[in-house]
Amino acid sequence: GAVVSQHPSRVICKSGTSVKIECRSLDFQATTMFWYRQFPKQSLMLMATSNEGSKATYEQGVEKDKFLINHASLTLSTLTVTSAHPEDSSFYICSARPTGEVNYGYTFGSGTRLTVV
Amino acid sequence: GNSVTQMEGPVTLSEEAFLTINCTYTATGYPSLFWYVQYPGEGLQLLLKATKADDKGSNKGFEATYRKETTSFHLEKGSVQVSDSAVYFCALSASGSSASKIIFGSGTRLSIRP
Repeated sequence: GAVVSQHPSRVICKSGTSVKIECRSLDFQATTMFWYRQFPKQSLMLMATSNEGSKATYEQGVEKDKFLINHASLTLSTLTVTSAHPEDSSFYICSARPTGEVNYGYTFGSGTRLTVV
Repeated sequence: GNSVTQMEGPVTLSEEAFLTINCTYTATGYPSLFWYVQYPGEGLQLLLKATKADDKGSNKGFEATYRKETTSFHLEKGSVQVSDSAVYFCALSASGSSASKIIFGSGTRLSIRP
């Protein structure tokens, strides 16, 4: 159980366009989901905490207008990279765990590799 | 604040060698501790976890024991295989809420020679 599906796995877009990444919990509900960014050969950097039915909480230094997060249901969170530029190219990963399960491990999506050209 | 420090890589071992990847943490209260593994081009997979002091997490021959006295959660495996080549992340989350964010160490790249 506890599967997280992330889509798309890879996307190439032109500079100035917007890209939406979806994160779905397939067999559990998640009030909270997390979005991470990973640069090559580096660790995961938490970008924001996505909260169902309310505004996301962004980490310091992350532009909320650049990275729009919507968590409209208990099984879906989306991250939209707006007006993408080459420096936004990165590996984006979401994660979640079942609501109320404080001792359950976090499940991660398979990641989205974004390349902005 | 909470933080995780883990052994810097890369670590290169021969097949069947003994593996230790050190991980120490700083946290208030009683965090849950995790080891995640990331294979090339993929997301993270939970390898093992421990939620309280002296708990031992184990999976696929890997083990780690939650040591509160030394604030450590070192990953060990008695005999590594080529298929264990990956990046390993130690992580923690503050206890008490499913909304607690997870904090990662810097990752340790492991390469196993046949």
